[in-house]
Amino acid sequence: DTGVSQDPRHKITKRGQNVTFRCDPISEHNRLYWYRQTLGQGPEFLTYFQNEAQLEKSRLLSDRFSAERPKGSFSTLEIQRTEQGDSAMYLCASRQNSYEQYFGPGTRLTVT
Amino acid sequence: AQSVTQLDSQVPVFEEAPVELRCNYSSSVSVYLFWYVQYPNQGLQLLLKYLSGSTLVESINGFEAEFNKSQTSFHLRKPSVHISDTAEYFCAVSDSGGTSYGKLTFGQGTILTVHP
Repeated sequence: DTGVSQDPRHKITKRGQNVTFRCDPISEHNRLYWYRQTLGQGPEFLTYFQNEAQLEKSRLLSDRFSAERPKGSFSTLEIQRTEQGDSAMYLCASRQNSYEQYFGPGTRLTVT
Repeated sequence: AQSVTQLDSQVPVFEEAPVELRCNYSSSVSVYLFWYVQYPNQGLQLLLKYLSGSTLVESINGFEAEFNKSQTSFHLRKPSVHISDTAEYFCAVSDSGGTSYGKLTFGQGTILTVHP
């Protein structure tokens, strides 16, 4: 069990650029979540995958956001035409059948 | 829809003193309850959880929380804190019925600072 990993850990980008983050869940976990955490707030749910199927998306996930989980393994979260309001910590979590979610270290995005 | 309120944004306390971090939730369905801890520059770690059974749950490092259904609370307590307990603590809920795929709704967090 190597834990949930995320890459990159930090990303600085200019407004209008596209960025992509990667999450590698714990290998036997079939359920994967993305959350966003802004300064001084708790994480907020963005989207959920069960295997390769994206089963739920939050209203926070605007059209500029897209997430994939090909083959039900790693997942990517892409933000197109980034805005300063996208600056946040993006967290990935995974779980198997229990309700206990295991979180990765997060990707901190700064949009300048 | 569910919501979680952590009543204190910051809690300063001296080492070896007791501490209570308060959490109240609102939900129209039955819930599972969690406390997560986040140390500086690290990800969230599960501290303890209530799924069913005994309403008092304990962690391996001395924290405990009690599920109170009538007061819709899940306060976190520790009788004697250490410097190393300094961190941000998040209370979270998920729908136990499975209709929300187990997604977590978090409170705003409580920063616990333990002073020597």
